[in-house]
Amino acid sequence: AQSVTQPDIHITVSEGASLELRCNYSYGATPYLFWYVQSPGQGLQLLLKYFSGDTLVQGIKGFEAEFKRSQSSFNLRKPSVHWSDAAEYFCAAGSNDYKLSFGAGTTVTVRA
Amino acid sequence: GAVVSQHPSRVICKSGTSVKIECRSLDFQATTMFWYRQFPKQSLMLMATSNEGSKATYEQGVEKDKFLINHASLTLSTLTVTSAHPEDSSFYICSASRPLTSGWDEQFFGPGTRLTVL
Repeated sequence: AQSVTQPDIHITVSEGASLELRCNYSYGATPYLFWYVQSPGQGLQLLLKYFSGDTLVQGIKGFEAEFKRSQSSFNLRKPSVHWSDAAEYFCAAGSNDYKLSFGAGTTVTVRA
Repeated sequence: GAVVSQHPSRVICKSGTSVKIECRSLDFQATTMFWYRQFPKQSLMLMATSNEGSKATYEQGVEKDKFLINHASLTLSTLTVTSAHPEDSSFYICSASRPLTSGWDEQFFGPGTRLTVL
């Protein structure tokens, strides 16, 4: 069965520090991979996506993610977090039927 | 572009009543619309997929007679929770997709509807 795992339920990081959120997938083939951010009262916003090609993907808000086939991972990174980055982050994988499977999410808290 | 709205954003109803949630793609015609359910502190679970003019496809374990989906046009889908009970209380999120040149239909998400059944 296809699945997406986000091992970290909650991460606390200091403002200005780097952030890395982990994501592992289990699919028969390389899926389409996505990172979304969900802020209270707002819909999910796409940060970045990977379909093929360059395994280092740049997204919005200074985020990037690296696809590693050997590790079945698609980890999200940001070199320096801002207080406004506090939110819920979801990794998702899409299959050929255009359906998305989401990980459980990681809550990011930013301390001053 | 690619804005999806949901209405209402929040609804409280009595047990046994039905509630309708609307999902609209405001500036594009959606290939497909999806309905998700999100429990507190949990992930989004796909409930059903709908295409304009055809019956929705429900995921395993989702009661199609409880969660009625109507997809009347390329910009509007509705989810009706029939005979709602407290266990139906949840956050319901819709998305609308449109094709990309890459071959993937990207989904754009609505802000969600918080349903509380008393």
